[in-house]
Amino acid sequence: EIVLTQSPATLSLSPGERATLSCRASQSVSDSLAWYQQKPGQAPRLLIYDASNRATGIPARFSGGGSGTDFTLTISSLEPEDFAVYFCQQGSSWPLTFGGGTKVEIK
Amino acid sequence: DVQLLESGGGLVQPGGSLRLTCAASGFTFSNYVMSWVRQAPGKGLEWVSTLSGGSSTTYYADSVKGRFTISRDNSENTLYLQMNSLRAEDTAVYYCAKVLLWRSFDSWGQGILVTVSS
Repeated sequence: EIVLTQSPATLSLSPGERATLSCRASQSVSDSLAWYQQKPGQAPRLLIYDASNRATGIPARFSGGGSGTDFTLTISSLEPEDFAVYFCQQGSSWPLTFGGGTKVEIK
Repeated sequence: DVQLLESGGGLVQPGGSLRLTCAASGFTFSNYVMSWVRQAPGKGLEWVSTLSGGSSTTYYADSVKGRFTISRDNSENTLYLQMNSLRAEDTAVYYCAKVLLWRSFDSWGQGILVTVSS
């Protein structure tokens, strides 16, 4: 099973600041890595698939990068609605696995 | 717009059974791989099971293998999860999700809570 480790666990930032979230895989997942945003009481929402492709309707301030074992999600300038929990997920091999999440909170 | 609506959750005793239903609309259901993903209270996301469009291929997490069965009725645009021998650790919100390229989940239902407790 591929283990995904997200860091940091919590990121405290102000609106307008840049957020950089990390996801590291225990073995290579090539570019089969997705990012999701989840707000309290809501279902997750797909942001990025295949490491760097924005999903339909996702603003350009969200970008993904990396390949192999190290990936990043960058939010170029935080909007108030971006404060949430973010999960990465690998689709390279079964079982599909998720990281433990990074909470982006208002500083 | 894609819509996924789960139902069938609730409180069940350990060892009991429950069947979840996901009603899909807004896309050609039979063309898409579908999955169930769950989230225990206050915890992260856990993939549960995936089923191909024609029902020929299934995958299960080890934690549910032999106890849960995923199925679909393409004539009714409905996905199911039959859950048997339920345990306390199966307590979670269960999400139905449409799968993108067998690798990620591009649409999610609102989720349904399953509580396993005596």
